[in-house]
Amino acid sequence: DTAVSQTPKYLVTQMGNDKSIKCEQNLGHDTMYWYKQDSKKFLKIMFSYNNKELIINETVPNRFSPKSPDKAHLNLHINSLELGDSAVYFCASRGKTGELFFGEGSRLTVL
Amino acid sequence: AQSVAQPEDQVNVAEGNPLTVKCTYSVSGNPYLFWYVQYPNRGLQFLLKYITGDNLVKGSYGFEAEFNKSQTSFHLKKPSALVSDSALYFCAVRDKGDDKIIFGKGTRLHILP
Repeated sequence: DTAVSQTPKYLVTQMGNDKSIKCEQNLGHDTMYWYKQDSKKFLKIMFSYNNKELIINETVPNRFSPKSPDKAHLNLHINSLELGDSAVYFCASRGKTGELFFGEGSRLTVL
Repeated sequence: AQSVAQPEDQVNVAEGNPLTVKCTYSVSGNPYLFWYVQYPNRGLQFLLKYITGDNLVKGSYGFEAEFNKSQTSFHLKKPSALVSDSALYFCAVRDKGDDKIIFGKGTRLHILP
C-alpha cells in the first residue's frame, strides 16, 4: 500500500503544452511539498501546503500552480511548458516528527 | 535563511571500511537535521534525524550521525560499508518554527568490492 503516490510517473510533451501531476498520501499528514530535482540531482523546494493552505511559495514561475483539494492531495499544474521545466518532480508529505515521505517522482521531458 | 552544504560530490570507500559523508548547516535558530538516501530512479528515503537530545543518532541500515553544534555539522557515518550502500545521499535542514526543508546538493557514495 503506497504511502505517497504520484501520477503519472513519466510525461513527455511538446513546448507550450500544459500538464498536471497528481499526488496523494494515505499517511494522514497535514503538510505536503513539491520539489524539483534537476539533471544534476539538485533538489529545489517549490511549494508546500498545510491542510489545504499554501504556506511556502518559492521563486517559481507563475506558470506553475499547485492545488490542494484536501489535505491528502497536492496537485501541480504547469502551463506553457518550456525546455527548462524538464526535471523529476517529487511530492512529499511531512510526518509529525518532521521527516519527509517521498513519492517515486514524475519525470517530465519537454521536447 | 537556512542552508546546508555537502562538500564532497563523491566518496569512495572499500567494502568493510568505515564511511563518513559530510554535512554542515546554517540556521538562525535551532536546527532539525535529516539524512536521506536515493537509489537510481527512486524517491528519497528517510535514514535518520536529529531534533533534540543525544547528539549521536542512529538510523536505518546501520547508519548513524553526530550532531556537532560548535562545528555546525551533522556527518553521516557507518562502521562497516556494504556494496549495497552505494547511492546518492542528501543532508537536509529545517529551522525550528519554519516549514521550509532545504537539501544539500547530494554526495554520491561508491562502495568498492
